[in-house]
Amino acid sequence: GQQVMQIPQYQHVQEGEDFTTYCNSSTTLSNIQWYKQRPGGHPVFLIQLVKSGEVKKQKRLTFQFGEAKKNSSLHITATQTTDVGTYFCAARTSGTYKYIFGTGTRLKVLA
Amino acid sequence: DTGVSQDPRHKITKRGQNVTFRCDPISEHNRLYWYRQTLGQGPEFLTYFQNEAQLEKSRLLSDRFSAERPKGSFSTLEIQRTEQGDSAMYLCASSPAENSVKYFGPGTRLTVL
Repeated sequence: GQQVMQIPQYQHVQEGEDFTTYCNSSTTLSNIQWYKQRPGGHPVFLIQLVKSGEVKKQKRLTFQFGEAKKNSSLHITATQTTDVGTYFCAARTSGTYKYIFGTGTRLKVLA
Repeated sequence: DTGVSQDPRHKITKRGQNVTFRCDPISEHNRLYWYRQTLGQGPEFLTYFQNEAQLEKSRLLSDRFSAERPKGSFSTLEIQRTEQGDSAMYLCASSPAENSVKYFGPGTRLTVL
């Protein structure tokens, strides 16, 4: 079955450093979504990527969708303490309604 | 607050008991998802509704689990004969359209003793 892996599992950075999490699928994806979950909270939608090679930016966050639509990345420039949380990708293949969530990358930002 | 509400927020039950959770999506959203999340893991898909029709159900879901959305508005998730392995956070999400943002509710935390 479809698997969605994220690396790294954990990342500790000093405030101001950059951060990147990678999402890899075993199958070609229809689209991918990214979510952020704060400790004790629920997932909050960040962005959706649909097109091959697509790049989207939200302030300090940059999202990319691979050319083959099998991988994606989220890059945060100059992290802040408010960026703390777990970042999940959620991937969908054609012919299904379900989104498979990745394993998540837990980010800690040290002030 | 995303506008998606879930009730109860916490449920403690003894093994073998039945439990039912409720989700009220954002009113104009016709798509509704149930997910289960355990500590340190990503949300695991359980089932999907479009209006009142249950269009997809995880093969991982045993026949002890059943979900309904009778009028295309609120949804219920029932777990029969609960087991300790059912302990998790049960999340509901709603969406206004296919391939659109999903708004998650606060979840129902189930503890099976």
